[in-house]
Amino acid sequence: EDKVVQSPLSLVVHEGDTVTLNCSYEVTNFRSLLWYKQEKKAPTFLFMLTSSGIEKKSGRLSSILDKKELFSILNITATQTGDSAVYLCAPLHGSGNTGKLIFGQGTTLQVKP
Amino acid sequence: NAGVTQTPKFQVLKTGQSMTLQCAQDMNHNSMYWYRQDPGMGLRLIYYSASEGTTDKGEVPNGYNVSRLNKREFSLRLESAAPSQTSVYFCASSDRGQVGYTFGSGTRLTVV
Repeated sequence: EDKVVQSPLSLVVHEGDTVTLNCSYEVTNFRSLLWYKQEKKAPTFLFMLTSSGIEKKSGRLSSILDKKELFSILNITATQTGDSAVYLCAPLHGSGNTGKLIFGQGTTLQVKP
Repeated sequence: NAGVTQTPKFQVLKTGQSMTLQCAQDMNHNSMYWYRQDPGMGLRLIYYSASEGTTDKGEVPNGYNVSRLNKREFSLRLESAAPSQTSVYFCASSDRGQVGYTFGSGTRLTVV
């Protein structure tokens, strides 16, 4: 059975702190792993990781994938209150032309001023 | 750029009532998806359509039906709503070569 586990489930930090969010997965026909940020509404795309060991970076956010150990991490440095959201990890899997995303339960991050 | 449009945004149903959630995308994407999201949980796939004319079950299809009316539209129908179907429903679309899915803004459904 396909499985995605995120940890921690929730996290409260203060502005300026650095956080690391974890995602472990077991899926068939793995293609890539995506990270999303969700603030009240629809998830918005952050990163797609396909290769192991190559860090993707966007501003204060970065992410890396380990396909051997089947996990990914999302780092946020110098956190701001605007980073408060649910962060979703989603492996893309499947054969043929259609890949399907399977989502973890999310990590709820609250950044206090 | 409309992207993915879902209607309605909110709906309250009585147990046993039926309704159809509408989804349309204007990006010429081949694949479309319906997810539900319950409190404290990630999104779970209900049904998807890899291309016009095809539909397949996802993780939680029971109690739902779908129709891929044409390339643009993918509707989700609840024939006899149950309180367990109270959730936020998201429609999404994607295409080969695209990075990530494009999501609609969601439909908050309450079944009483």
